[in-house]
Amino acid sequence: EPEVTQTPSHQVTQMGQEVILRCVPISNHLYFYWYRQILGQKVEFLVSFYNNEISEKSEIFDDQFSVERPDGSNFTLKIRSTKLEDSAMYFCASNLQRATYEQYFGPGTRLTVT
Amino acid sequence: DQQVKQNSPSLSVQEGRISILNCDYTNSMFDYFLWYKKYPAEGPTFLISISSIKDKNEDGRFTVFLNKSAKHLSLHIVPSQPGDSAVYFCAASAGNTPLVFGKGTRLSVIA
Repeated sequence: EPEVTQTPSHQVTQMGQEVILRCVPISNHLYFYWYRQILGQKVEFLVSFYNNEISEKSEIFDDQFSVERPDGSNFTLKIRSTKLEDSAMYFCASNLQRATYEQYFGPGTRLTVT
Repeated sequence: DQQVKQNSPSLSVQEGRISILNCDYTNSMFDYFLWYKKYPAEGPTFLISISSIKDKNEDGRFTVFLNKSAKHLSLHIVPSQPGDSAVYFCAASAGNTPLVFGKGTRLSVIA
């Protein structure tokens, strides 16, 4: 069964450093998303991406964040200068339809900022 | 702002009995609701969904009920199995808006 994959599974970085989180969505999916979950809190939407551009973003997704689909398979989330409060699980998701129904999630990347 | 609320952080149920997980929402524009299951160290896995034009959707052991007037939905698992032990997230969407998640309910099914 096709699945969303994410690398790395765990990333430790120092405050102020740049990190890139990588995702490979399901191959025929067209819509891609990043979510995050701070420990003990709910899963929060960051950004959606379609046709090589951002279609929607939340207030969390400020200028420190960017997304890119550098080739036909990868979908990346970059945080330019990490802060302590960026420590969270970051989930990539994808789906086939424009509507956000039934998104398929990857296993997540745990980002720890020290 | 908690548009989607799961007021029970945890629930314990005996194997073979019914598990009922509840979810309330405040945004009357939500028109699609989903339940996701999450095991430790894994991403959320889609479980079942329901459109606002329905009041019930069933898939095997899982049934979701929607009460629009009360802005309430529930997930029933019958019979509950130890493998159902996970965190269950309720999520909602209003048309093409991104999913809004609740905080989750940790279900423990005791053998």
